[in-house]
Amino acid sequence: EVQLVESGGGLVQPGESLKLSCAASGFTFSDSAMHWVRQASGKGLEWVGRIRSKPNNYATAYAASVKGRFTISRDDSKNTAYLQMNSLKTEDTAVYYCTALTADVLYNWGQGTLVTVSS
Amino acid sequence: DIVMTQSPDSLAVSLGERATINCKSSQSVLYRSNNKNYLAWHQQKPGQPPKLLTYWASTRASGVPDRFSGSGSGTDFTLTISSLQAEDVAVYYCQQYYSTPWTFGQGTKVEIK
Repeated sequence: EVQLVESGGGLVQPGESLKLSCAASGFTFSDSAMHWVRQASGKGLEWVGRIRSKPNNYATAYAASVKGRFTISRDDSKNTAYLQMNSLKTEDTAVYYCTALTADVLYNWGQGTLVTVSS
Repeated sequence: DIVMTQSPDSLAVSLGERATINCKSSQSVLYRSNNKNYLAWHQQKPGQPPKLLTYWASTRASGVPDRFSGSGSGTDFTLTISSLQAEDVAVYYCQQYYSTPWTFGQGTKVEIK
């Protein structure tokens, strides 16, 4: 069974940092591009960024709203992707989800992890 | 960025009747080299995370009932619920994953008439 489990969310103050994890199982993680998407309360879905697989040089891409502040990484030995969030702003408050995309399959989201940025 | 536009914004359908949601992309999401449309549909019920319904425009995700079907190609896509059930009340989003940034439609709220 495919599982994606996000963790690491919490309450932080503006300007602080937080690192989220996305633990994957049930599929070949190393073949997948890993994406992060977020959803503020009562709002739609917003893509945050992605990291490609090793054959694609672990290439990353980010939404304009987070570029320069967020960094996505992965550890294929642990089947885990990460989202390092620095210089957090109140507008980064959202539930963060991860998903995986291979050449053949787009996988379902995890349950998400809530990040609240507030003073 | 590719803009995804859904119609209608909301829809009320009687139980057992068909529900149809449309999605239009501002540019084609059909990748010619593999003939795949990089288009997905998601369902989100109140207080729950979004759930993937279909991808590659028409491939149902694991465990999704066959009353949900996706169709279309290029820039015009449709999600059809063939016989609406009470548990289908939700907001539905289309999404392109043809290019980054991935983009989503604004959502269509489906209710029971």
